[in-house]
Amino acid sequence: ETGVTQSPTHLIKTRGQQVTLRCSSQSGHNTVSWYQQALGQGPQFIFQYYREEENGRGNFPPRFSGLQFPNYSSELNVNALELDDSALYLCASSLDGRTGGYGYTFGSGTRLTVV
Amino acid sequence: GESVGLHLPTLSVQEGDNSIINCAYSNSASDYFIWYKQESGKGPQFIIDIRSNMDKRQGQRVTVLLNKTVKHLSLQIAATQPGDSAVYFCAEYKSGGSYIPTFGRGTSLIVHP
Repeated sequence: ETGVTQSPTHLIKTRGQQVTLRCSSQSGHNTVSWYQQALGQGPQFIFQYYREEENGRGNFPPRFSGLQFPNYSSELNVNALELDDSALYLCASSLDGRTGGYGYTFGSGTRLTVV
Repeated sequence: GESVGLHLPTLSVQEGDNSIINCAYSNSASDYFIWYKQESGKGPQFIIDIRSNMDKRQGQRVTVLLNKTVKHLSLQIAATQPGDSAVYFCAEYKSGGSYIPTFGRGTSLIVHP
């Protein structure tokens, strides 16, 4: 059984550019959640996808968007990058829309630096 | 002792001591709480959870205490080991709606051999 894998592990982008981050969910999981974790802070919930539909969203602007594919893998897209978007982006997978607890599995994240 | 560092509160303990990590949560309507452990370069890992109808729950070497009156959560780790060194986060969930978690700022636990 594989865990949650995220790619790339590190990325540097220029302000104003667009970025796509990828997440492969744990085998058997049908739900993917995305988080932004700034340095020295706890993760902040961006949104969740359950069976290819957005299933909840945190307080992030529309330039943060996502997709979930039929195999339940997911992408996070961020347009018009700002310096404050520099953070660790975490993906977590689960079953049936769960947002935490036992069985809620995080990946190791993508470290995005915007310069 | 406990101190507030540049980014995170930090708790330094000796191996074998008991550790207590505290969390003040924000929403009196929150009814589910989770403690996560995040090691360097990794994502958060579930440790233990508790619902608001309980005030104590025990796991293997860990105990979570919930005081709803003062909106306070604590994680007790018995016989702390160097492998327990990590950042610990509490997360609160409010019933109703989409059950989105709110994470606390985190506490860095440093265990000295």
